[in-house]
Amino acid sequence: AQSVTQPDIHITVSEGASLELRCNYSYGATPYLFWYVQSPGQGLQLLLKYFSGDTLVQGIKGFEAEFKRSQSSFNLRKPSVHWSDAAEYFCAVVIEANAGKSTFGDGTTLTVKP
Amino acid sequence: KAGVTQTPRYLIKTRGQQVTLSCSPISGHRSVSWYQQTPGQGLQFLFEYFSETQRNKGNFPGRFSGRQFSNSRSEMNVSTLELGDSALYLCASSPGQMNTEAFFGQGTRLTVV
Repeated sequence: AQSVTQPDIHITVSEGASLELRCNYSYGATPYLFWYVQSPGQGLQLLLKYFSGDTLVQGIKGFEAEFKRSQSSFNLRKPSVHWSDAAEYFCAVVIEANAGKSTFGDGTTLTVKP
Repeated sequence: KAGVTQTPRYLIKTRGQQVTLSCSPISGHRSVSWYQQTPGQGLQFLFEYFSETQRNKGNFPGRFSGRQFSNSRSEMNVSTLELGDSALYLCASSPGQMNTEAFFGQGTRLTVV
């Protein structure tokens, strides 16, 4: 079965600093990959997605992610973090055999220091 | 377009009772998925319906069930509630094809006392 690992449970960065959140997946073929953000008590908002093609994808709010097949990774980055980016971030995969089922990582909580 | 609507937003139930949660997907979307989110287990897939048929199912006991209507609206039901069923239940809708993303509702916060 596919799995998603987000190694960092909690990350703290200073406002204006760069950010990288890690995501690794385990699956034989290339799955479809997603990053979501969740504010407390809210649903999930899609930041970006990778289906195929260019391995560097741009998303909303200045986020980008790079798919590296050799490392089975899909890390999320932002060059300059804003205080409003504080939230929980989830990486997710969908495989072709289960089009309607997303498998999520455990999430990374981002704290932004002023 | 209106987003995914989940009702109610908050619910308090007693152990042993049953509960029904509702999800109205984005207009035109034929797939509805349900997820349970808890601090200990994270986001776990419950089931997915596509055109009124259950297409995928997660590893939850039979107390958890769902259905989808012809207008794509979906309900999930939990019978004989347990304290451990307290969670945020999230619904997501998508057109249903492989290369499309899911759009999530705000969730229903269920508390079992």
